[in-house]
Amino acid sequence: GIQVEQSPPDLILQEGANSTLRCNFSDSVNNLQWFHQNPWGQLINLFYIPSGTKQNGRLSATTVATERYSLLYISSSQTTDSGVYFCAVGNTGGFKTIFGAGTRLFVKA
Amino acid sequence: GAGVSQSPSNKVTEKGKDVELRCDPISGHTALYWYRQRLGQGLEFLIYFQGNSAPDKSGLPSDRFSAERTGESVSTLTIQRTQQEDSAVYLCASSPAFVAGYTFGSGTRLTVV
Repeated sequence: GIQVEQSPPDLILQEGANSTLRCNFSDSVNNLQWFHQNPWGQLINLFYIPSGTKQNGRLSATTVATERYSLLYISSSQTTDSGVYFCAVGNTGGFKTIFGAGTRLFVKA
Repeated sequence: GAGVSQSPSNKVTEKGKDVELRCDPISGHTALYWYRQRLGQGLEFLIYFQGNSAPDKSGLPSDRFSAERTGESVSTLTIQRTQQEDSAVYLCASSPAFVAGYTFGSGTRLTVV
């Protein structure tokens, strides 16, 4: 099945810093999403982005499907950005959406 | 409803008992997913429903796990003869279609003692 790798696994930032999270995947996809899981466990959908670029406030994402990777950019980080960021991909051959292991982000005040 | 609703939010059960977890998707969402998240881990796919099509059950870890969904409404995940390794948060998500973003519920935290 499709493999998903996220990097880095852990990231510590000073408030106000920018960061880039990466998601590599092993096969063609027709569904790619980025999620934020807050410290209380709630998963929030950030982007549905199987290709192209999207922006939402301080967050933006880019997926280059032909090169099988996606990037999530966080600018001017805030302490509320802390949590785990997951990339999830759906393969063209089936309906499973597979989650990566996540990037754990801690933003220091 | 406004979001995906899961119940109960917490469940403590004795080893060997059966449990039933419920998920109410967003009205009009044809796709529904169940995932399991063990403490400190990522999300494991369990099962997928899309409208009246046959569900994709390929992620169910054993025959003790089963799930049902009536049409495009409520789904229940049943775990029979629970084991300690079943302890986890069980998350449900729904979406308008497969190729669309998911909305997750708050999950059911299951503890088997």
